[in-house]
Amino acid sequence: DAGVIQSPRHEVTEMGQEVTLRCKPISGHDYLFWYRQTMMRGLELLIYFNNNVPIDDSGMPEDRFSAKMPNASFSTLKIQPSEPRDSAVYFCASSFTERTEAFFGQGTRLTVV
Amino acid sequence: GNSVTQMEGPVTLSEEAFLTINCTYTATGYPSLFWYVQYPGEGLQLLLKATKADDKGSNKGFEATYRKETTSFHLEKGSVQVSDSAVYFCALSDPTGTASKLTFGTGTRLQVTL
Repeated sequence: DAGVIQSPRHEVTEMGQEVTLRCKPISGHDYLFWYRQTMMRGLELLIYFNNNVPIDDSGMPEDRFSAKMPNASFSTLKIQPSEPRDSAVYFCASSFTERTEAFFGQGTRLTVV
Repeated sequence: GNSVTQMEGPVTLSEEAFLTINCTYTATGYPSLFWYVQYPGEGLQLLLKATKADDKGSNKGFEATYRKETTSFHLEKGSVQVSDSAVYFCALSDPTGTASKLTFGTGTRLQVTL
């Protein structure tokens, strides 16, 4: 398996624009996680899904953030409208079960100018 | 709530020096503990883990022992290499629910020089 695949690797956008980050989890993994990494706050869990259903979105910072998982092999994290303070590295991770190791993608570095 | 505290970095060592990166945690219940490593420009990779008290996780010469009495999981390596330069994250799993839902420390940057 190619591992967790995220796209794009880098995204630069202007303030106010919509941004969509994409993630393909490892095939067969039932859990999918979105994390955000910033210098100030470190790694924070934003939301996670089990079998395509959002379970805990308490880490989503604002209503400008939304995440979907339309099927077992694809998830999106959308920011609309984007703001400079959203600049961060966003990681997607997946795990086979709730008790097994989470595997991380390489991340998307988002810069909002 | 759950939390992880790591020593501040950066840590700068000469090659073949001994490494210790301290990690302590606060959690209800009995979490699993992890060390992840992030090389420049890459995602996080699991380095080692321990799932219960007194377990020792080890990988690539790195070791960490789950100490319940001191709520610690310090990372050690006897002889570091330049290729070990990276950011190291201590993490714990959610002991009351989804174990693969992780709480991370702030990370410790390690720089190894020749």
